[in-house]
Amino acid sequence: QLQLRESGSGLVKASETLSLTCEVSGGALKSGGYSWSWIRQSPGKGLEWIGHIHHSGKTYYSPSLKSQVTISADWSESQFSLNLSSVTAADTAVYFCARVRVYSDSDFYFDNWGQGTLVTVSS
Amino acid sequence: SYEVTQPPSVSVSPGQTASITCSGDKLGEKYVSWYHQKPGQSPVLVIYKDDQRPSGIPERFSASNSGDTATLTISGTQAMDEADFFCQTWDGTNKRMVFGGGTKLTVL
Repeated sequence: QLQLRESGSGLVKASETLSLTCEVSGGALKSGGYSWSWIRQSPGKGLEWIGHIHHSGKTYYSPSLKSQVTISADWSESQFSLNLSSVTAADTAVYFCARVRVYSDSDFYFDNWGQGTLVTVSS
Repeated sequence: SYEVTQPPSVSVSPGQTASITCSGDKLGEKYVSWYHQKPGQSPVLVIYKDDQRPSGIPERFSASNSGDTATLTISGTQAMDEADFFCQTWDGTNKRMVFGGGTKLTVL
């Protein structure tokens, strides 16, 4: 059974870089038909897509976060990572990693999620 | 940019049918997925490709998508169905995933 687990610093200082890693087990990271995504949820708020990396290595980022975000993958280690630079208090959120099922250029959905990790940005 | 809108809350009595809507311009021309999320937990996929249920999701969950509105229907709602529900689609023009703001389902 596929499992995803987020890890990284739970406390980041404002203006610094948030770094998280998602370890994938029970399934191949470089499987055709899938991408690997980061989503966040501010306290008491809705879900915000950050971006994802396709098994081809191509990345897609939220236009509102594009200047701050880098998503990369270590296919051999079966993990992918998120770097979010120049963070502010507004970046305080629970960060989820998730697998994206890709059927076509217009058909994507998240079929497996990690448990999420809270990242707090301090001043 | 493309946006979808959900009602903030929906209430239903146990055993009755709950309907949660997700509205967006020509949403029926896009694929919509639905997730439920209970407090302190990660979201769980309940519907994909407009109306498909993943294995393990009860048959009481169904959905449709036409025109400007996608609808998630929960028949015979149970107390355990109380959760936040989010719709999701893909904005092909701007190459971005779009989530609705979420609907809190209360089973009274």
